[in-house]
Amino acid sequence: KNEVEQSPQNLTAQEGEFITINCSYSVGISALHWLQQHPGGGIVSLFMLSSGKKKHGRLIATINIQEKHSSLHITASHPRDSAVYICAVQGGSEKLVFGKGTKLTVNP
Amino acid sequence: DAGVIQSPRHEVTEMGQEVTLRCKPISGHDYLFWYRQTMMRGLELLIYFNNNVPIDDSGMPEDRFSAKMPNASFSTLKIQPSEPRDSAVYFCASTERRHREAFFGQGTRLTVV
Repeated sequence: KNEVEQSPQNLTAQEGEFITINCSYSVGISALHWLQQHPGGGIVSLFMLSSGKKKHGRLIATINIQEKHSSLHITASHPRDSAVYICAVQGGSEKLVFGKGTKLTVNP
Repeated sequence: DAGVIQSPRHEVTEMGQEVTLRCKPISGHDYLFWYRQTMMRGLELLIYFNNNVPIDDSGMPEDRFSAKMPNASFSTLKIQPSEPRDSAVYFCASTERRHREAFFGQGTRLTVV
């Protein structure tokens, strides 16, 4: 079993829909990261969080340490949100362990 | 700052050849990471440095892989000899200090034929 599990693997939505991507992990962590990988391949860090909730524009990330679960929400989705979203967990060191990613396609 | 800069962006080489990937981290960042991404295994950490010193190389697949960071502004990942199974996208990333968000380079797509 992978340390980091994401669901769903693939997600197709219509423009304007509310999107939720889930991440579950099995180890103790110091932080959890959400990354975005565009079709061109570049990777951008969206959030790093260790508790509670963070918001940036239309993106919201939450984490429940007790349940070892995090969610990434996108409100009012847009075709430019189409990308692969990757969850990664960080333990006591700087090493990141990655989920396999969720491929999101938002249709106009 | 221009961000993390990797070169080359694409590399095609023949099996058995030596391959060198290069990375320039963001100025002032203390940590540098090398990752590999494949369809089968996703993103994996190969090695990371703190203040130019290798801290964790447990992800380096075998002795054919080596990484150096001779100074704060430059790192190399070398594969010698290369094999077709090394084909992947290799990312370099840097962070300012501990437990901070990572900034990724654009990656080097390596194809070994």
